[in-house]
Amino acid sequence: DAMVIQNPRYQVTQFGKPVTLSCSQTLNHNVMYWYQQKSSQAPKLLFHYYDKDFNNEADTPDNFQSRRPNTSFCFLDIRSPGLGDAAMYLCATSRDSGTYSNQPQHFGDGTRLSIL
Amino acid sequence: AQSVTQLDSHVSVSEGTPVLLRCNYSSSYSPSLFWYVQHPNKGLQLLLKYTSAATLVKGINGFEAEFKKSETSFHLTKPSAHMSDAAEYFCVVSDQGSTLGRLYFGRGTQLTVWP
Repeated sequence: DAMVIQNPRYQVTQFGKPVTLSCSQTLNHNVMYWYQQKSSQAPKLLFHYYDKDFNNEADTPDNFQSRRPNTSFCFLDIRSPGLGDAAMYLCATSRDSGTYSNQPQHFGDGTRLSIL
Repeated sequence: AQSVTQLDSHVSVSEGTPVLLRCNYSSSYSPSLFWYVQHPNKGLQLLLKYTSAATLVKGINGFEAEFKKSETSFHLTKPSAHMSDAAEYFCVVSDQGSTLGRLYFGRGTQLTVWP
């Protein structure tokens, strides 16, 4: 089945130690998103890629970076994680249909990040 | 501006009874509307979507939603709740006036199903 896969499912890192979360997709979608979801809250968009074009949300901290080496893979890098960065991180994809806002986003199962 | 209001943060029902999760939206353009479900420690799964076709939308697992423009509502219903329906539900609007594909999430409704 075509899907969005996130690895690892659970990640523990130390305060200030860089961490990378990965996302891969077999849907061949050209748009990929990263969301942060804290407990009992809705997902918050961090940034997205439209093909290779990176689009950062205005309120996403500089501590968060992303890379998309090819269509299938996208990475979220947190350069110096703080305690407030503990959250579920969700990757999603969608297909551009011209006006692609009416296309649903397909989510991975997320990576739960804990900070020690 | 786009926004979504989920009127209930928690809904509890008994197994076998109807489910109603309420959602109102605000959109500057013709909206696309979605309901997503999230089980614990899982990603969001699309239940159904409305994109200006039929106003009554049928989704997976017996859920359906009705788009009512006059009431700016998109309530989610199911005739008979099952224990496996217990989860967090998000009503989401996407603005067709934008090519960004940005989703605007409601705060979520936690559905509890009692045996």
